[in-house]
Formats: sequence, structure tokens, C-alpha cells
Amino acid sequence: DQQVKQNSPSLSVQEGRISILNCDYTNSMFDYFLWYKKYPAEGPTFLISISSIKDKNEDGRFTVFLNKSAKHLSLHIVPSQPGDSAVYFCAASAGDYKLSFGAGTTVTVRA
Amino acid sequence: KAGVTQTPRYLIKTRGQQVTLSCSPISGHRSVSWYQQTPGQGLQFLFEYFSETQRNKGNFPGRFSGRQFSNSRSEMNVSTLELGDSALYLCASSFAGAMNTEAFFGQGTRLTVV
Repeated sequence: DQQVKQNSPSLSVQEGRISILNCDYTNSMFDYFLWYKKYPAEGPTFLISISSIKDKNEDGRFTVFLNKSAKHLSLHIVPSQPGDSAVYFCAASAGDYKLSFGAGTTVTVRA
Repeated sequence: KAGVTQTPRYLIKTRGQQVTLSCSPISGHRSVSWYQQTPGQGLQFLFEYFSETQRNKGNFPGRFSGRQFSNSRSEMNVSTLELGDSALYLCASSFAGAMNTEAFFGQGTRLTVV
């Protein structure tokens, strides 16, 4: 039962433009959301997070938006850079000591 | 400080064998979680340990087990290996495991079952 869904397996964007990654969830008990970035042959690295009491969190080029009524969050990367090419995972927590992950979105930034 | 260390990095095993994977968390971190990553499936939660106690377990068969030692190092074991167990196994550590702070992942152990 996939409670976190990333419906776009891949995204291609030109360098300097905005990348928008989307994530939907079904479990209303999720109260904390995270984005992780993964390069090949490496473990995921934390990117940015947001608590359910907020609707936006910003960290440099990365902004996460949360729409609780729609059970939807998105990650915006502005401007996109070649080093951003990676797999991005959306994850959610219900406070039960585990993270539920989406299947990932592969981002390719074109020069 | 040193990151999360997983050993070995790569393993090839035959069906029916068993395997033990090891994870050393970041110093001071007491929570260790294990995840299985397969193509197209994202990361699937296996189990989480805190102070040698398993606090949560994912929907995996009993062939998958784990433990944590007093120094917070953790091992996971898979018995009677099946071809479908081929995956990247990732370990993550955090201070308390409450998941309202980031978890740090190791590079993973790539298990291939032939």
C-alpha cells in the first residue's frame, strides 16, 4: 500500500529554469514531510523538510510547499543547476519511527 | 564526524543462503532504521531500533530480522534468500528516531541473490 506517491518518474529541465517535483499522500496521520536527494552509488541525503503546521519552507534554492487539504506537497528548485541531476524522494512520517517514501523522481538538468 | 557506515558494500549470495549486513551509526545517534530499495519501489521500511529495542517493523516476512547492540551498531539478517531479495539495503541513523529531524543514510549494501 503506497501511501506516498510520486507520479512523475522523471523530469527534464533546462539549466537556470525552475524544477517542480510533486508528491501526493493518502495517510492523514502524516505530520512531517521530507525531501531526499540521491546520486547513484550513494545513500540518500536530506534536502529540506516541512512540518504539517506550516505550508511553506524555504532553504536557499529549495522551497517545499504543503497543501494539507489536497494531501499534496511540491519541491521547487530555482534556478536548476547541473549538480541537481539526481533522484529525488519524497518521504513522510506519522511519528511512528519510520519514513514512508515515494518511488522517486529522476531529475535531469540540461545545459 | 564520521557518517553512517555500512558493510559490506556489495554481496553476492545464492538462493537459500543467509546474509548478515552491518550498520554503524553516527556517533551519538541511538536510532537505526533499515530500508530496502528496489527499482521503481522507492525505499521500503524494514525496522527501526532504539537502545537495543525494536520500535517499529515493516511488512516484510519473518526471514528478515535485525538487532541493535549496546553501542548502537545494528545488524540485519536475511535467511533463506530468494531472488526477490536482491536490492540495495540502506541504513539510516538519527538522534532519537522521532523523524521530525533528518535521518542520515549510509551508502548501502548492494545484495545480489543468484
